[in-house]
Amino acid sequence: DADVTQTPRNRITKTGKRIMLECSQTKGHDRMYWYRQDPGLGLRLIYYSFDVKDINKGEISDGYSVSRQAQAKFSLSLESAIPNQTALYFCATSDLFQETQYFGPGTRLLVL
Amino acid sequence: AQSVAQPEDQVNVAEGNPLTVKCTYSVSGNPYLFWYVQYPNRGLQFLLKYITGDNLVKGSYGFEAEFNKSQTSFHLKKPSALVSDSALYFCAVVGSGNTGKLIFGQGTTLQVKP
Repeated sequence: DADVTQTPRNRITKTGKRIMLECSQTKGHDRMYWYRQDPGLGLRLIYYSFDVKDINKGEISDGYSVSRQAQAKFSLSLESAIPNQTALYFCATSDLFQETQYFGPGTRLLVL
Repeated sequence: AQSVAQPEDQVNVAEGNPLTVKCTYSVSGNPYLFWYVQYPNRGLQFLLKYITGDNLVKGSYGFEAEFNKSQTSFHLKKPSALVSDSALYFCAVVGSGNTGKLIFGQGTTLQVKP
């Protein structure tokens, strides 16, 4: 969905490096989410935010941190990347009254 | 705990034949159920959802799904498959007491052969 953008789309980094993935949305939604996708495991929730002042841990938050800079921006950081964080990362948004989530195109991350 | 199961890793059908992709769920409270599709190198696209009301839900691209409370299932169906339907399909659920926290199944690859 072009209304949800993610940068970068692909990233290769080394173990121990700090990396930030960024998400922006023009849908005007209050809620934003970060997921990771691994083959055979579906998508798992890392962090979610229901508004700028609200940040919540998801199912697999260890090793990750987030920042909600504005209603439209939600960043995911890996403070010290490790190889098992190699995955496809998705940002998603939803509004207050609908449970439907809208996804960005994803960031493919490889940690060597 | 909430969970979603998609029992088939892959479903193969011939073009023109009906298709079914299975999903069962476990959730406390009334479920909100979703189907998403992922094409290669793309994000997830919303197909359809069940919140309340009619058990048969119609969505994008001719897909539909039937909510069955007694069997805790939400199978995705299409009367006539197209080669372009080949993709990865995800079922997801959120319990009414866990707003915003979608739980996804592991995904089912649909392969439609000409």
